[in-house]
Amino acid sequence: AQSVTQLGSHVSVSEGALVLLRCNYSSSVPPYLFWYVQYPNQGLQLLLKYTSAATLVKGINGFEAEFKKSETSFHLTKPSAHMSDAAEYFCAVNPGSNTGKLIFGQGTTLQVKP
Amino acid sequence: EAQVTQNPRYLITVTGKKLTVTCSQNMNHEYMSWYRQDPGLGLRQIYYSMNVEVTDKGDVPEGYKVSRKEKRNFPLILESPSPNQTSLYFCASSYRGLGSNQPQHFGDGTRLSIL
Repeated sequence: AQSVTQLGSHVSVSEGALVLLRCNYSSSVPPYLFWYVQYPNQGLQLLLKYTSAATLVKGINGFEAEFKKSETSFHLTKPSAHMSDAAEYFCAVNPGSNTGKLIFGQGTTLQVKP
Repeated sequence: EAQVTQNPRYLITVTGKKLTVTCSQNMNHEYMSWYRQDPGLGLRQIYYSMNVEVTDKGDVPEGYKVSRKEKRNFPLILESPSPNQTSLYFCASSYRGLGSNQPQHFGDGTRLSIL
């Protein structure tokens, strides 16, 4: 069965510092992987997705993630945090054999300190 | 404007009283899906639909029903709501399934409280 684990329910960084949000997945088949962001009182917005093309995926707002099959990881990074990055972030996996199912991690709340 | 519209946005109701949360998209998307969001649990998929008249269970379908009689609408039905269905619900749609290059669009959410 597929699953997603996000390490750390809360991450706090200073403005300008590196952002690293961790995501590990389990999947018996090559997965599609996603990162979503949720701002307060809003729905989710796709940041980036991996669908078996380049392992380094660039997304919106300066975020990127690297698919590492050997580590079953898909960590999200941004070189320099901005105050507007404060939000909740969700990693999700879709088993590539069934493009309808989506399994989310528990979410990581990013706090950005001035 | 391309959007996914959910109604109602907020609802407080009582145990056992049937309710329907509507979801409509204006992007001619084939794929639609329902999720519930609970603190500490992230989002969990309830049902999804790959196209008209095609629906399938997600991870937490118990206590819910859906139908997809036309492309634009995907209502979520709670036949006999219970307090454990108190949650924030999101509907989403995308052009094809999740493997396509098109992103999934989310509605603004429906907050249900079952007393």
